[in-house]
Amino acid sequence: EVHLVESGGGLVQPGGSLRLSCAASGFSFRNYWMTWVRQAPGKGLEWVANIKEDGSEKNYVDFVKGRFTISRDNAKNSLYLQLNSLRVEDTAVYYCAREYWGPEYWGQGTLVTVSS
Amino acid sequence: QSALTQPPSASGSPGQSVAISCTGTSSDVGRYNYVSWYQQHPGKAPKLMIYEVSKRPSGVPDRFSGSKSGNTASLTVSGLQAEDEADYYCSSYAGSTYVFGTGTKVTVL
Repeated sequence: EVHLVESGGGLVQPGGSLRLSCAASGFSFRNYWMTWVRQAPGKGLEWVANIKEDGSEKNYVDFVKGRFTISRDNAKNSLYLQLNSLRVEDTAVYYCAREYWGPEYWGQGTLVTVSS
Repeated sequence: QSALTQPPSASGSPGQSVAISCTGTSSDVGRYNYVSWYQQHPGKAPKLMIYEVSKRPSGVPDRFSGSKSGNTASLTVSGLQAEDEADYYCSSYAGSTYVFGTGTKVTVL
């Protein structure tokens, strides 16, 4: 059974940083693209970034380019999202997902709150 | 990278059908057959209901069906049941990135 567990969320001040993690199990992690999607409170889903199986290709939505960095460690079956220069509008639940021409299996999400 | 357009709400009585549209552009929905649909209940993670326009993952009832014409994709839920009341989102591949729809709240009357 595919299992994805996010961690690392919390309260951070504007301009601060956080590193989100996603632990994967139940499938061959190194053979799949992986994705981060976020959802602001009471709002819709926003695609954030994805990364190729071997980490050689990364794509980002325009409004996080230069601030967020996606990475993975296939030896640890883990996906990461480094969040820098955080803004109030980055407040959201961040989901990791296994990708198959779109998010397929989703974790339960981790809440990031940016506030002073 | 503009969001795909969905109606904010849709509703139907138990047993009836409801259709949700998802309108994009020739750069996303119109160009690729990689449209997915997700169901999200309050406080829960989204669940994949349809992928590649019209394919159903294992375990998804055949009451859920998907289609596409030009720049608009559609999700139809037939034989509405109480548990189908949820938010529904479409998404499309847009050439190295993805874009989601604005979301539709489905109410079972």
